[in-house]
Amino acid sequence: KAGVTQTPRYLIKTRGQQVTLSCSPISGHRSVSWYQQTPGQGLQFLFEYFSETQRNKGNFPGRFSGRQFSNSRSEMNVSTLELGDSALYLCASSFTGTTNYGYTFGSGTRLTVV
Amino acid sequence: ELKVEQNPLFLSMQEGKNYTIYCNYSTTSDRLYWYRQDPGKSLESLFVLLSNGAVKQEGRLMASLDTKARLSTLHITAAVHDLSATYFCAVGSYSGGGADGLTFGKGTHLIIQP
Repeated sequence: KAGVTQTPRYLIKTRGQQVTLSCSPISGHRSVSWYQQTPGQGLQFLFEYFSETQRNKGNFPGRFSGRQFSNSRSEMNVSTLELGDSALYLCASSFTGTTNYGYTFGSGTRLTVV
Repeated sequence: ELKVEQNPLFLSMQEGKNYTIYCNYSTTSDRLYWYRQDPGKSLESLFVLLSNGAVKQEGRLMASLDTKARLSTLHITAAVHDLSATYFCAVGSYSGGGADGLTFGKGTHLIIQP
């Protein structure tokens, strides 16, 4: 059974650019959540999608956005990158998002902004 | 605003010893998750605790949940070097949309020395 697939694994971008990260959930999972992990702030919730609808959003600026496709794959986009956006971005999939089974995390995309 | 506090944040212990990591949270929730993270890796699900008094065990790790005290513990029995990692607790919170966003503690960096 394939796990949660995130691409790319590593990215280096320049300040002011934009970036798109991709997440393919486990087959059958309809909920995808995104998290940012930094040494200073730890793990922070970005947003959650279910059936192509954003149901929940964390406390991040509007530069952070996402979407989900009909096959449950999700993308997140960060526009006008800042140095502070350098982080490990993790996505997690679950059956419904209010899960009794926990969340399965992908390997993450490590974004470096220079 | 939900706050999750873990302690200790750093723990160095010897093989064969027992220890407990504590996770306190600030608002009512009955969804508590424990994850393990190895350096440079993603999050591995350890336990999902969904009710007051829940206790789960896997090998040398045992987790419990007291929703009245808003406290979860992760107990390590007879530690071995392979358990060296960072351990996170996370609390699920309901949003108006019905989806959980996980709020994570800052993590406990555990080093087990021979």
